[in-house]
Parts: sequence; structure tokens; C-alpha cells
Amino acid sequence: DTGVSQDPRHKITKRGQNVTFRCDPISEHNRLYWYRQTLGQGPEFLTYFQNEAQLEKSRLLSDRFSAERPKGSFSTLEIQRTEQGDSAMYLCASSPSDGNEKLFFGSGTQLSVL
Amino acid sequence: QKEVEQNSGPLSVPEGAIASLNCTYSDRGSQSFFWYRQYSGKSPELIMSIYSNGDKEDGRFTAQLNKASQYVSLLIRDSQPSDSATYLCAVNFHGGSTLTFGKGTMLLVS
Repeated sequence: DTGVSQDPRHKITKRGQNVTFRCDPISEHNRLYWYRQTLGQGPEFLTYFQNEAQLEKSRLLSDRFSAERPKGSFSTLEIQRTEQGDSAMYLCASSPSDGNEKLFFGSGTQLSVL
Repeated sequence: QKEVEQNSGPLSVPEGAIASLNCTYSDRGSQSFFWYRQYSGKSPELIMSIYSNGDKEDGRFTAQLNKASQYVSLLIRDSQPSDSATYLCAVNFHGGSTLTFGKGTMLLVS
């Protein structure tokens, strides 16, 4: 068990560019979550998957954001046409789906949009 | 509206003292409650979970839950400088499969 892994750790991009982040959950966890966190705020829910099915999306998730988990293992989060307001820490978490909703977070991807 | 409220702090306590962190939430039917610790620049780390009214102790940490009053608290005994971090309260609201987080309380131990 190596924990939740996220890549890259840091991403600097110019406004208007597309970016993609990857998350590898804890292997036996079938739930995977994406959160976003800005300075001084708690993590805000974006979306989650149960296996390969995307079960819930937040209103925060505009149509520029898309997430996939094609084989129920790793997940990707893509942001198209990035804006400065997208600058944040993007956190991935996984859960064993035992009904107690304990989330275990990865180290996050810090996105800076210039 | 599902809300989790925390005092942003900072809460300053001397080394060796008890730190008391509080959290209120909006949905009386909520079932699961969590405390996460987050060091500056790092991701949240789960330190406590509590599901029923009363106290739950784990080492120097005690979580307290009062569903009737809709608050959950975290006590840290014998506070150490290494406890200096932001503590996030998270709630699984009734019927949901995700966690809603408060803004966190910054704790400073010196």
C-alpha cells in the first residue's frame, strides 16, 4: 500500500492552455474523489467515482473540467482553456467504500495559471 | 445548504496545554464526522473519525460529538509544537457519499 499518488506535484501554465492531472488511488479502494483547495479555504468537492462510474459532480465543475476513470483504477482530471481563477491545489482522495466515508488524500497537484 | 463552520483562528496555546477546536454543522441527520490535520503546503491527513454521540479517544486526541447541538470538537492534550497545523472538520451529510469540509482552524503551539 503506497497511498494515493498524484502527478504532477506542480504545474505552471499560461492562461488558455489545457492541463491534465493524474491520480492513482490506494489499490483496494473503489471510490475516488477530486477536491480543489485554495489558500485559507477547506477542500471543495468537485466529483467522485465509484469504480469507473462518475456518480456525482459539483456545480463548481464547469464544462471546462472533465474527469475520467476509464478502468476503475487511476483517474485523470483535465481543465481546458485554463483561467487564472483555476489556480489552486487539486487534491485526489480515495475511500474503501465501507460506508464510513474515510477519505485518504494524495499529496495534491498545485496549479498556477499565469 | 450544507455547511460546516469553524473558527479560522489562529488558536494559540502554550506547549503542554490542551487545545480545543470546535466545529458546527448544518444537518441534524449527519452521521459521520472527521478531523483532518493539514500542515502548510501539505495535503490533509485523517486523524480522527467519530460516528456516535460522546467521546472517542486516540492517544493525545479526543473527539467529542453532540448531534443534538450539531457540534463536534477535537481536544489535543499535552500540545506539542509539532501539532501546529490547520485542523479541518469534515462532515458526511445525511444521504451523501462525499465529505464537506470547514475552512479549518489554525493551531499554533509555542
